[in-house]
Amino acid sequence: GAGVSQSPRYKVAKRGQDVALRCDPISGHVSLFWYQQALGQGPEFLTYFQNEAQLDKSGLPSDRFFAERPEGSVSTLKIQRTQQEDSAVYLCASSLVQIIYNEQFFGPGTRLTVL
Amino acid sequence: GQQVMQIPQYQHVQEGEDFTTYCNSSTTLSNIQWYKQRPGGHPVFLIQLVKSGEVKKQKRLTFQFGEAKKNSSLHITATQTTDVGTYFCAGQMNRDDKIIFGKGTRLHILP
Repeated sequence: GAGVSQSPRYKVAKRGQDVALRCDPISGHVSLFWYQQALGQGPEFLTYFQNEAQLDKSGLPSDRFFAERPEGSVSTLKIQRTQQEDSAVYLCASSLVQIIYNEQFFGPGTRLTVL
Repeated sequence: GQQVMQIPQYQHVQEGEDFTTYCNSSTTLSNIQWYKQRPGGHPVFLIQLVKSGEVKKQKRLTFQFGEAKKNSSLHITATQTTDVGTYFCAGQMNRDDKIIFGKGTRLHILP
């Protein structure tokens, strides 16, 4: 594929609903990252995968957030019992090798609005 | 915890003027990256700096990494309307650490 793709692009959820956000990284990219970007802020790290292994999930704000990448390619970020403070753009990024010394290619993001 | 701070938060310049954004870390960094995000878009990688005192140029853009590897700057010469967007620095403390983004500097160009 040409780049990182994310779906859906926009998601509106009622408070308390569960949502699942999908990321398709660039084919062959080993590393995958999830970020949360609030309006007017920089991306905030959520979690990082190297292939199927989740090596760092220190940025996940609560146990309502869960991410997986079972086959080392597509990843899903799941948010359970959404709250209004979860409203943000969720960005996925991938890079060719491991975390250091490599540019990250970002997807277009999923804009989540929790009512 | 590690923090990456950027100033200024906003900058308005006349087209043709120069622009500089500064990035400071509370801790020594192993490397720093710069990204540009156009309005409504996603961050796009510009460059990575690794060595102490490193200076890199990309056409009208000049990137510097401080001697102590705790600060960095991006300078744009003779801004153009295509330079509009938010510029983020992103630092990494150790090779296995997550990348910490600054809050960005939003550049507006006045025609």
